[in-house]
Amino acid sequence: EPEVTQTPSHQVTQMGQEVILRCVPISNHLYFYWYRQILGQKVEFLVSFYNNEISEKSEIFDDQFSVERPDGSNFTLKIRSTKLEDSAMYFCASSGAGGSYNEQFFGPGTRLTVL
Amino acid sequence: AQTVTQSQPEMSVQEAETVTLSCTYDTSENNYYLFWYKQPPSRQMILVIRQEAYKQQNATENRFSVNFQKAAKSFSLKISDSQLGDTAMYFCAFMNHAGANNLFFGTGTRLTVIP
Repeated sequence: EPEVTQTPSHQVTQMGQEVILRCVPISNHLYFYWYRQILGQKVEFLVSFYNNEISEKSEIFDDQFSVERPDGSNFTLKIRSTKLEDSAMYFCASSGAGGSYNEQFFGPGTRLTVL
Repeated sequence: AQTVTQSQPEMSVQEAETVTLSCTYDTSENNYYLFWYKQPPSRQMILVIRQEAYKQQNATENRFSVNFQKAAKSFSLKISDSQLGDTAMYFCAFMNHAGANNLFFGTGTRLTVIP
């Protein structure tokens, strides 16, 4: 059964460093998402991506964040200069052909720790 | 803005018994979707059940069923004949019918099934 994969499973970085979190969505999906979950808090929407551009983003997704689909298979989230408060689980999700509803399939997450 | 509230951070249930997880939400929309996602330890979130707001009939998937009370903005999950594999975090989530398909999540309920 196809699934969303994410690498790495755990990333440790120093404050101020750039990190890139990688996701491989399900191959025939068209919509891609990033969510994050700070420890003990709710899962929060960051950004959605369709047709090679951002379709929606939350207040959290500021200029330090960017997304890219560089090669038709990977979907990446870059944090330019990490802050302590960026420590969280980051989940990638993808969904199918659009319309009123398509199930979002989630990856296992990347735990980002900023020291 | 949509908010989703899960007031039970942790619950436990004896194997083979029934348990109900609570969820309330707040929205001014009339058409939307509601979901329960399950996240086993160190695994990705998977969709358990979904409900379209325009449907009066409560959704059912095998041992999982919901009690959707639209006027009360309540969406509880009932798990019957609990199994050890049901041990997981359970997230309630909301999605608007129109516009962006991003999900709004609650803080989750950690369910432990006791043998």
